[in-house]
Amino acid sequence: TQLLEQSPQFLSIQEGENLTVYCNSSSVFSSLQWYRQEPGEGPVLLVTVVTGGEVKKLKRLTFQFGDARKDSSLHITAAQTGDTGLYLCAGHRNSGNTPLVFGKGTRLSVIA
Amino acid sequence: DSGVTQTPKHLITATGQRVTLRCSPRSGDLSVYWYQQSLDQGLQFLIHYYNGEERAKGNILERFSAQQFPDLHSELNLSSLELGDSALYFCASSALRPEAFFGQGTRLTVV
Repeated sequence: TQLLEQSPQFLSIQEGENLTVYCNSSSVFSSLQWYRQEPGEGPVLLVTVVTGGEVKKLKRLTFQFGDARKDSSLHITAAQTGDTGLYLCAGHRNSGNTPLVFGKGTRLSVIA
Repeated sequence: DSGVTQTPKHLITATGQRVTLRCSPRSGDLSVYWYQQSLDQGLQFLIHYYNGEERAKGNILERFSAQQFPDLHSELNLSSLELGDSALYFCASSALRPEAFFGQGTRLTVV
C-alpha cells in the first residue's frame, strides 16, 4: 500500500491550460514537499508546506496543504512546455530526521 | 546543482557481481538517504543514516548494505546482483529541515 497516493498518474495538456494534481494520504504528515524530476536527473525540490491550510505560490505554481495535513495539491496556471516532467509529493510522518516517503508521481506532458 | 555528488553516474555489470555506489552529501548535512527508483515502483526508500549511525531501514534487500563514514560520505553496496536490481539509485542529504536534496543518481544496469 502506497502511503502517498498521487493523481492523476499521467496528464497531457495543451500549452496555456491550467491543471491540478493531487497528493493524498490517510496519514497525517508533519510536512509535505513537492519535487519535480526530469528524465535521468534527481528530483529537485519545489516547495515545502508545513502548516495545515497553508498556501504557497511559486510563480505560476500554487501549492496547498490540507487543513488536516493529510493531503496536498499543486495547481499550475497557464502551463508551458517547460513544465513537462514528473511531479512528486513526499513527506515526513513525524518531525525530525525520519525517512522522506514519496508518492509515485504525476507525469505531466505539456504540448505546444 | 544540489551540492550532493554521486559516483559513478552509470554502471553496467553482470549478474552475481558486487558494486559500490558513493555519495557525498551537501556540506554540513548529517543525514543521508538512499532511494531506488524503477519505472513501475517510483522512489523507494532504502536506508537512512544520520551522523554515521543507521536511523531507519526501508525496503532494502539483505544483499544490499550501506554505511556512512566519519567524513559523512556514504556508500551503498549491492551484491549478488540480479537483473531486477537494474534501476536508478539516488542519494539525498538533509540537515534538520524537512527537505532533502538529491544527487544526480547512479544508473545501474545489470546484464
